[in-house]
Amino acid sequence: DIQMTQSPSSLSASVGDRVTITCRASQNINNYLNWYQQKPGNAPKLLIYAASSLQSGVPSRFSGSGSGTDFTLTISSLQPEDFATYYCQQSYSTLSITFGQGTRLEIK
Amino acid sequence: QVQLLESGGGLVKPGGSLRLSCAASGFTFSDFYMSWIRQAPGRGLEWISYISSSGSTIYQADSVKGRFTISRDNAKNSLYLQMNSLRVEDTAVYYCARDGAFFSGMFDPWGQGTLVTVSS
Repeated sequence: DIQMTQSPSSLSASVGDRVTITCRASQNINNYLNWYQQKPGNAPKLLIYAASSLQSGVPSRFSGSGSGTDFTLTISSLQPEDFATYYCQQSYSTLSITFGQGTRLEIK
Repeated sequence: QVQLLESGGGLVKPGGSLRLSCAASGFTFSDFYMSWIRQAPGRGLEWISYISSSGSTIYQADSVKGRFTISRDNAKNSLYLQMNSLRVEDTAVYYCARDGAFFSGMFDPWGQGTLVTVSS
């Protein structure tokens, strides 16, 4: 299986901050990388697909970049509703989809 | 709007069985691949199974292979997960999620989830 490792595991930030979350794959996955946001008690929500494409309806302050093994999710100016847990997920190996362990974004 | 609604979760003893359902609405269900993904309490996400739009192709992760079976009824706009020989480590919230016309691993949207607790 392809292992997905996110860093940091948790992060404290303030409203208005610029935040970057990193995801590293254990092998080349081209751009088969998606990002999800999960708030407590809710299902995950797709934010970014194919590493850098913004899902319809997602605010433009979210952006993704990367290719190969290293990827980033950036929130340009944190809003109160952005405090949540974020997961990366590879879809390169379609018979073994795997997620990162999650990054919990908390209010400082 | 596109909606997925899971049901069928509950408390079951180790070795027992449970059948989860996922009712789809707001889109042409028969056009899309579907998946089941689970999340153990306080833990991360684990994809466990997918089924093609017609139901002719299925796949299960090794962790559930031989115990769980995914199926669908396109006439009823419904997805199912038959879970047999349940183990304590199967305790999780189970989500159904829509994929695309071909399996892409891009899941959107997800249902609200149903909790399965395996305990004696």
